[in-house]
Amino acid sequence: ETGVTQTPRHLVMGMTNKKSLKCEQHLGHNAMYWYKQSAKKPLELMFVYNFKEQTENNSVPSRFSPECPNSSHLFLHLHTLQPEDSALYLCASSDGLAGYNEQFFGPGTRLTVL
Amino acid sequence: RKEVEQDPGPFNVPEGATVAFNCTYSNSASQSFFWYRQDCRKEPKLLMSVYSSGNEDGRFTAQLNRASQYISLLIRDSKLSDSATYLCVVSAGNNRKLIWGLGTSLAVNP
Repeated sequence: ETGVTQTPRHLVMGMTNKKSLKCEQHLGHNAMYWYKQSAKKPLELMFVYNFKEQTENNSVPSRFSPECPNSSHLFLHLHTLQPEDSALYLCASSDGLAGYNEQFFGPGTRLTVL
Repeated sequence: RKEVEQDPGPFNVPEGATVAFNCTYSNSASQSFFWYRQDCRKEPKLLMSVYSSGNEDGRFTAQLNRASQYISLLIRDSKLSDSATYLCVVSAGNNRKLIWGLGTSLAVNP
């Protein structure tokens, strides 16, 4: 595997379900990110991890819970989501923080909340 | 005023045309600037960083105008494969927080 991978690619869940999104980067980067991309809206940065430590949480509701066990893996745990949370969730990584360096994105998880 | 603003388009141009996009930003202290490209139903990918002196990569030229707070992307000799959404990204502040534009949609027609 190369680059940034994400699983699952598609997810349909009910509002009472609990699910997790997984991201893995094979680039040796130290920073990882979760983004939300909704139609007609710019990319919204949700969380930033640098060397496994969360450095940014952009007022994301607590029904989204990130986990970064090591510099290569990032999870987004989902519970009691709302229909408006339906979107494309993108994971990215960079060598150093993104404000200075190129971000590499995974293919995303297309989430639908019923 | 939005932090990063782009004309969403769509821009429809014939093959071989020259097309230019602008992106304005509101924070005068912004420090880094990027253009990303996102194909339909794919992830964004870096097209080019934008340097103060301007920079060129083949058919693509990016420029920064700090006085007027905008960056531009010029595409010469458009190809069908240039059809995509072009995302402007600006970073500012001590933590170099990234702010993304909505993107400009380009369709290059045969």
